[in-house]
Formats: sequence, structure tokens, C-alpha cells
Amino acid sequence: EAGVTQFPSHSVIEKGQTVTLRCDPISGHDNLYWYRRVMGKEIKFLLHFVKESKQDESGMPNNRFLAERTGGTYSTLKVQPAELEDSGVYFCASSRVQNTYEQYFGPGTRLTVT
Amino acid sequence: QKEVEQNSGPLSVPEGAIASLNCTYSDRVSQSFFWYRQYSGKSPELIMSIYSNGDKEDGRFTAQLNKASQYVSLLIRDSQPSDSATYLCAVERMDSSYKLIFGSGTRLLVRP
Repeated sequence: EAGVTQFPSHSVIEKGQTVTLRCDPISGHDNLYWYRRVMGKEIKFLLHFVKESKQDESGMPNNRFLAERTGGTYSTLKVQPAELEDSGVYFCASSRVQNTYEQYFGPGTRLTVT
Repeated sequence: QKEVEQNSGPLSVPEGAIASLNCTYSDRVSQSFFWYRQYSGKSPELIMSIYSNGDKEDGRFTAQLNKASQYVSLLIRDSQPSDSATYLCAVERMDSSYKLIFGSGTRLLVRP
């Protein structure tokens, strides 16, 4: 079974530009989560999809961040316009059903905003 | 106060020793607890989950949970240099999303 995949692995953009991160969850996993780790801090929750619906987006920093999961498969996270403080590693995780609890993480996308 | 607290380390142990990693959490209603291992530049890898008070063993790993003390630990027996990594404690928030709340991680170094 293939794991969670993310693309790109690393992105370097200038302040004010737009970046789109992609996550492909494990096949059959309806739950998809986005997390972020900024330098020196712990991993923090951004949002949660159940299939194509946003279940919880309480962790999204502001309206410069837009997440979508059309068709309930892969998800994208767009940052527009990017700011310096958006730099960090963005992780995607998926889990099979709501009550299974166990989330499996992708390798992350390292975003650097200069 | 952070919701999930871990000593950042590094915790240094000799090869073959028992490594003991500790974590405390603040939300009394939490029911699910996880240990992830993260090698530098890699994804967090789920290694243990525990839901009930007591011990849970899986190979060289033992997770221990004490809900009354709001304390969860991970023991690694017969530590190997390949166990050197950052160990992340995560607690599931009991709300609609079952999001994970992470500690900052403990760096473990196993000396050959």
C-alpha cells in the first residue's frame, strides 16, 4: 500500500508569490489533515477534510491560505500571497475512518519564503 | 503552558540500554495518545498508539499511560544507533476533527 505522498518536496518562493502544495492520501483514507511545523516550534494542525468536505479549518492562520479537496481524493493547499512567516514544513496526514485515530504522515513540503 | 510537554533533550544512552521518553498533557478528556519517530528531514512515523491506562508492548517498544497523572511515556529496550531520532508525543483532541496536538519532541541519541 502506497503511503501519503506530497509534492513538491521543497519550494523556494519570494514574498508575495503564490505556491500550491499537493497531497495524495493513502488510498481509501477519507480523512485528510494538513499540519505545519515552523522553525523551532511543534507541529500544528491546520485543517481537516472528510472526503471533500472541510470538517475543521480552525488552524488555518489567515485567509491567505486556501485548501481544497475536489472529489475527495488529493488535496491542495495554496498560499497567496506568501509571507516570510509562512516558511516551514507542511505535512499532510490521512486516516481510514473517523474513529481509527491513527494518522499517517507524508514526507512534507519544505516551504521557504524569501 | 503547552498542551503537550516533552523534554527537548538530547537524551543520550549507550547502545543496548533502555531509553525512557516522557510526555505530559493538559487536556484531561484526551483518550488517544501516540508516539511518532522522526528522522531528520523525514516524515513522522507512527510507532505506538495507546488508549487505556497501563502498558502496551510492541517489540522493543513499550508505551505507558497514566491518565490520572496525565502522563504518557515510551520505553525503548535494547536501544540501537538506528533508534537515534526525534520522538514526538501526540495527543488527540476530542473534538469534531480528532486533530493531533504535538509536543515539540525529544531528540534521542544512542551511542555505539
